[in-house]
Amino acid sequence: RKEVEQDPGPFNVPEGATVAFNCTYSNSASQSFFWYRQDCRKEPKLLMSVYSSGNEDGRFTAQLNRASQYISLLIRDSKLSDSATYLCVVTSGNTPLVFGKGTRLSVIA
Amino acid sequence: EADIYQTPRYLVIGTGKKITLECSQTMGHDKMYWYQQDPGMELHLIHYSYGVNSTEKGDLSSESTVSRIRTEHFPLTLESARPSHTSQYLCASSDIRSPLHFGNGTRLTVT
Repeated sequence: RKEVEQDPGPFNVPEGATVAFNCTYSNSASQSFFWYRQDCRKEPKLLMSVYSSGNEDGRFTAQLNRASQYISLLIRDSKLSDSATYLCVVTSGNTPLVFGKGTRLSVIA
Repeated sequence: EADIYQTPRYLVIGTGKKITLECSQTMGHDKMYWYQQDPGMELHLIHYSYGVNSTEKGDLSSESTVSRIRTEHFPLTLESARPSHTSQYLCASSDIRSPLHFGNGTRLTVT
């Protein structure tokens, strides 16, 4: 089983839709969790960290479920500019970050 | 915004040549990483360093080597480039206070 698993998509949604991605991780000792966004042929960029209590940044909400070992990202009121690949990232203290394969999102007009 | 720089941005080179991809960061981050990514595919960690004179191989076997003589500098070298090395190489850095920040990558083509 891979350390971090994501549904690769693609998720094709209309503008204004709400879309949610899940990411599961296998290492119960994982301590830090992030969502990154990667545009085509660009480097990944940090979208948001994921905190135990859940956190929100504008239209984006991230949640962590330690018991079931998954994190989620919810995007409300999708914009065309949200089209990208969303990468789930997990780290266990002093080990290198582990990236999921990413979930592709296409927001359609 | 993170200050991490990679050069060259694009490189086209013939088989058998020695190449060095440069990566520098001005944030004083202890940890630095090299990832390899083919178009539309996942990131693969090929090397990382947790400080000066410390380097480790990542998950993906690579014929490249790295060095960390200075905190800010983490070059990657291919002694003899081959077409199979054609890919995008992404450098990143982090520390305990800061999650991973990437450079804008080097797109390598070996002909």
